[in-house]
Amino acid sequence: GAGVSQSPRYKVTKRGQDVALRCDPISGHVSLYWYRQALGQGPEFLTYFNYEAQQDKSGLPNDRFSAERPEGSISTLTIQRTEQRDSAMYRCASSLSVGSEQETQYFGPGTRLLVL
Amino acid sequence: GIQVEQSPPDLILQEGANSTLRCNFSDSVNNLQWFHQNPWGQLINLFYIPSGTKQNGRLSATTVATERYSLLYISSSQTTDSGVYFCAVENPTGNTPLVFGKGTRLSVIA
Repeated sequence: GAGVSQSPRYKVTKRGQDVALRCDPISGHVSLYWYRQALGQGPEFLTYFNYEAQQDKSGLPNDRFSAERPEGSISTLTIQRTEQRDSAMYRCASSLSVGSEQETQYFGPGTRLLVL
Repeated sequence: GIQVEQSPPDLILQEGANSTLRCNFSDSVNNLQWFHQNPWGQLINLFYIPSGTKQNGRLSATTVATERYSLLYISSSQTTDSGVYFCAVENPTGNTPLVFGKGTRLSVIA
């Protein structure tokens, strides 16, 4: 596609429910990143993939958070048993490859999650 | 991990004025990007600039990697420039996530 797309754009859920957030990267981009952004702060890293391989998940806050990218394209970030503190903007980014300007990360519009 | 500090935290400009935003980082980097988060929450890539100078219209950026800082210049500011400007860096090992600063919130008033 022309840019990174994310769905849903907004998600309101009740505490304890599971949610799945989807990211569709720019076509052909090797790397895909997930970030979380609290109100008034910059995005913070969660996890990233090269192709289908999860390279680093050190930013995932706990084991309720997981992500997959089974075919090296679309990725899903899943939060189980949501808590109010999970409320934030979840952003996805993709980059073409490694090295020089190919590392430039392009961000999607984000999914704003509200846990009641 | 690498630290990123942006200044000023807030800035109010009269339309037409120029401004300089600064980003200091604590270690060498192989990727530095400037982003504009507009009032609708979109995060738009402005520059990929781990070193050197680039210009795009009224915006330009300079990174002095040896002194670990980058500057974003906005000339002849417009109300549409309002929003939050983020600097983000990647550590030297490459292909790693970006570490963001806290941003500079810019308000341009007519």
